[in-house]
Amino acid sequence: AQTVTQSQPEMSVQEAETVTLSCTYDTSENNYYLFWYKQPPSRQMILVIRQEAYKQQNATENRFSVNFQKAAKSFSLKISDSQLGDTAMYFCAFLKAGGGNKLTFGTGTQLKVEL
Amino acid sequence: GAVVSQHPSRVICKSGTSVKIECRSLDFQATTMFWYRQFPKQSLMLMATSNEGSKATYEQGVEKDKFLINHASLTLSTLTVTSAHPEDSSFYICSARDPRGLNTEAFFGQGTRLTVV
Repeated sequence: AQTVTQSQPEMSVQEAETVTLSCTYDTSENNYYLFWYKQPPSRQMILVIRQEAYKQQNATENRFSVNFQKAAKSFSLKISDSQLGDTAMYFCAFLKAGGGNKLTFGTGTQLKVEL
Repeated sequence: GAVVSQHPSRVICKSGTSVKIECRSLDFQATTMFWYRQFPKQSLMLMATSNEGSKATYEQGVEKDKFLINHASLTLSTLTVTSAHPEDSSFYICSARDPRGLNTEAFFGQGTRLTVV
């Protein structure tokens, strides 16, 4: 079974600054995917970024990037130039490769972007 | 991206009654859908995996007779909370993965806030 750990229940950052959210996971699988999902106050889950475990290059999506360390089983999210709209709960998630498998979520980090 | 629609977004019901929540994939066919429950400020807890044309697979500790799941078509799964009680009040979310492409990204419905009074 897989586990996903987010050790920061809450974080805050000033607008335009950079913040990093931590995530570690435990698995015996070699082929898998990692995700960061955002859940704003509307509670709609939104995909922020995805990383394939077989790719060494870190994924980036505009202001969002990850630091994927496979050997250390670490998958942190960096948000650059933070905006007020980034205020949300962020969940790290693990998916074993193969159809029909279920996502394993971390406990989440509540991020607040302040003026 | 693919769209998953969940209805209703909010429902209030009396204790002892049943409530049905619908989850539809609008622009793709989903052989598998997932139902989650989320308590305030907590993570998503998987309740069950809904499989089109067959019985749902429930997670340990989830009462299958309490939470009835029907996945009668490739675009619709329903979750029925039977004989609801106040402790069933929660936020319920469904998701599905688009089988086209990598089939890795999960798309989520808007969620349903259930209040049992």
